Amino acid sequence: DAGVIQSPRHEVTEMGQEVTLRCKPISGHDYLFWYRQTMMRGLELLIYFNNNVPIDDSGMPEDRFSAKMPNASFSTLKIQPSEPRDSAVYFCASSLRRDRATNEKLFFGSGTQLSVL
Amino acid sequence: GENVEQHPSTLSVQEGDSAVIKCTYSDSASNYFPWYKQELGKGPQLIIDIRSNVGEKKDQRIAVTLNKTAKHFSLHITETQPEDSAVYFCAAPNRGGTSYGKLTFGQGTILTVHP
Repeated sequence: DAGVIQSPRHEVTEMGQEVTLRCKPISGHDYLFWYRQTMMRGLELLIYFNNNVPIDDSGMPEDRFSAKMPNASFSTLKIQPSEPRDSAVYFCASSLRRDRATNEKLFFGSGTQLSVL
Repeated sequence: GENVEQHPSTLSVQEGDSAVIKCTYSDSASNYFPWYKQELGKGPQLIIDIRSNVGEKKDQRIAVTLNKTAKHFSLHITETQPEDSAVYFCAAPNRGGTSYGKLTFGQGTILTVHP
């Protein structure tokens, strides 16, 4: 398996523009997570899905952020409008709930480095 | 929610030496503690994890110990090699109990292994 695939790897945009980050989880995984990494706040959970359904979005910082999972192999994280403080690395991760022990293991993508000027 | 503190923030060792990274957590209900390694330009990768029903787990040169009473757990790397250089993160379930991927991460430790 190719692992969790994220695109783009790098995104530079201007304040006010819409940004869409994309993720393809590992085939067969039923949980998908969006994390954000910054120097100040470290790794933070933004939202997660189970079987394509959003379960907990309490980590989403503002209404400017939204996430969707239209099918089991694709998810998007959208920021509209973007602001300089949104600059961070955004990671997608997936896991499989075969059993509790397996479900604990997160597999991360390589991330999207977002810079908002 | 859970609060995870990680120390030290940076650690420099000579090749062949041991490295120890420590974490404390706040929620006594937490029962799963993973460690992730992040190399430059990559996402975190799980290297070892431990559940609260055991006190220690080993996998070749790495080991994790857990003290539930004191609410702390540690990563031990023996016979360090330059390729061990990376950022290491501890984590715990962000609302106690099991995580199902919902983790609170420590602040990270930058480990540098000098040849």
